[in-house]
Amino acid sequence: NAGVTQTPKFQVLKTGQSMTLQCAQDMNHNSMYWYRQDPGMGLRLIYYSASEGTTDKGEVPNGYNVSRLNKREFSLRLESAAPSQTSVYFCASSGHASPLHFGNGTRLTVT
Amino acid sequence: QQQVKQSPQSLIVQKGGISIINCAYENTAFDYFPWYQQFPGKGPALLIAIRPDVSEKKEGRFTISFNKSAKQFSLHIMDPQPGDTATYFCAATIMDSGRRALTFGSGTRLQVQP
Repeated sequence: NAGVTQTPKFQVLKTGQSMTLQCAQDMNHNSMYWYRQDPGMGLRLIYYSASEGTTDKGEVPNGYNVSRLNKREFSLRLESAAPSQTSVYFCASSGHASPLHFGNGTRLTVT
Repeated sequence: QQQVKQSPQSLIVQKGGISIINCAYENTAFDYFPWYQQFPGKGPALLIAIRPDVSEKKEGRFTISFNKSAKQFSLHIMDPQPGDTATYFCAATIMDSGRRALTFGSGTRLQVQP
C-alpha cells in the first residue's frame, strides 16, 4: 500500500520555467492538499481539494494552479517559477474521519 | 485567529529523561489536535492525537497533555532515544467546507544525543 506518492523527488528550474508536480493517493480519500515547507515557517497550505471536482485556495496560492484530475490525483503547477518558490512541496490526503497522510515531498530549487 | 504557536524551536537532550514541546492555540472551534513527526527527507507522519474532551493521551513513550481552559497542549517524550531525533509539529484542526483544515505550529527540531 503506497499511500501518497509524489513525483519528482527533486527538481531544479530556472526563473520563468514551468513545471507540474504530480501527486496520487491510493487510500480512496476524498480530500487532497498541497503544502509548502520552508525553514521556520512550518507547513503552509497552497491549495486543497475537498472532493473530486472542487479546488480552493489555501493560505499561499499566488503563483500556483492545481488540477484535481480524478479522485486519486491532484497536481500542482508553477506557470512561471520564481526564486521565492524554492521550497519543499508536500501533497497530503485525508478521509472524512482520518488525519492527513503526507507524501515524501518534492524538493524544488528555482535559480 | 487561526494561529498555533509552538515552542521551543529546537531542543537538544541527552538520552533518557523527558522532553517537552508546547503549543498554544486561539480558536476554540478546533476539535482535534494531532502531533506529526518528520524525519529528514520524509513527509510528516501522524504520531499521536487528542480530542479536546480528554486531558491526556498516552501511546508508548509519547503523551499528549491537553489544557482546554488555557488553550494549550504539549507533547511529552519519555526516555528519548537517538531514533526520536526528528522535527515535531503540533497542529489544530476543524472540519471546514467538507475537508479537514489544519493549522500547523512552526515545528521543533529535537536532537537526542547518545
